[in-house]
Amino acid sequence: QKEVEQDPGPLSVPEGAIVSLNCTYSNSAFQYFMWYRQYSRKGPELLMYTYSSGNKEDGRFTAQVDKSSKYISLFIRDSQPSDSATYLCAPRGLSGNTPLVFGKGTRLSVIA
Amino acid sequence: KAGVTQTPRYLIKTRGQQVTLSCSPISGHRSVSWYQQTPGQGLQFLFEYFSETQRNKGNFPGRFSGRQFSNSRSEMNVSTLELGDSALYLCASTSEGASGNTIYFGEGSWLTVV
Repeated sequence: QKEVEQDPGPLSVPEGAIVSLNCTYSNSAFQYFMWYRQYSRKGPELLMYTYSSGNKEDGRFTAQVDKSSKYISLFIRDSQPSDSATYLCAPRGLSGNTPLVFGKGTRLSVIA
Repeated sequence: KAGVTQTPRYLIKTRGQQVTLSCSPISGHRSVSWYQQTPGQGLQFLFEYFSETQRNKGNFPGRFSGRQFSNSRSEMNVSTLELGDSALYLCASTSEGASGNTIYFGEGSWLTVV
């Protein structure tokens, strides 16, 4: 079993839809959970990160972590064509020097 | 505040050659990590440097090496290039704060091995 599993998509939604992106992970030592957005031929851009379980909201984006089921979600409200990108979840351990472990990413297309 | 700067952005090398990639982290960040991104394997961790010392290493062969300078700038080197080394190489700079570490990526160096 891979440490982080993410449905690669592609996921295609109409503009204005609510998008749900999900990851599962196997390592119970993960404590920080990052979401990155990557546009084509660009580096990943940090969207949000959460610590341990719970929700975190930032504008149209909400990150949710359920450590009991090892499930990570990112919700995008009122999706826009500019949200079309690959979304990568990346958990990591508590220690400051532990690397990110990335999912393969989900390709999202928001159609105008 | 300038972001993570990587050079060169694009390069083509021949099998057997070696390549050096450069990264300048965000000002004040002392930790620099390198990742390889390929369509098949996704993003994989290569190594991390902190204060000129390698602090962590991923599961890559010894042909992949790196170093960090006293100004936190970092370089990675790949020797005896193979076709499978064609990838996007990403440098990440870490902000270490009380609420945890946040990791920022550069735009990457696209390496094509022919």
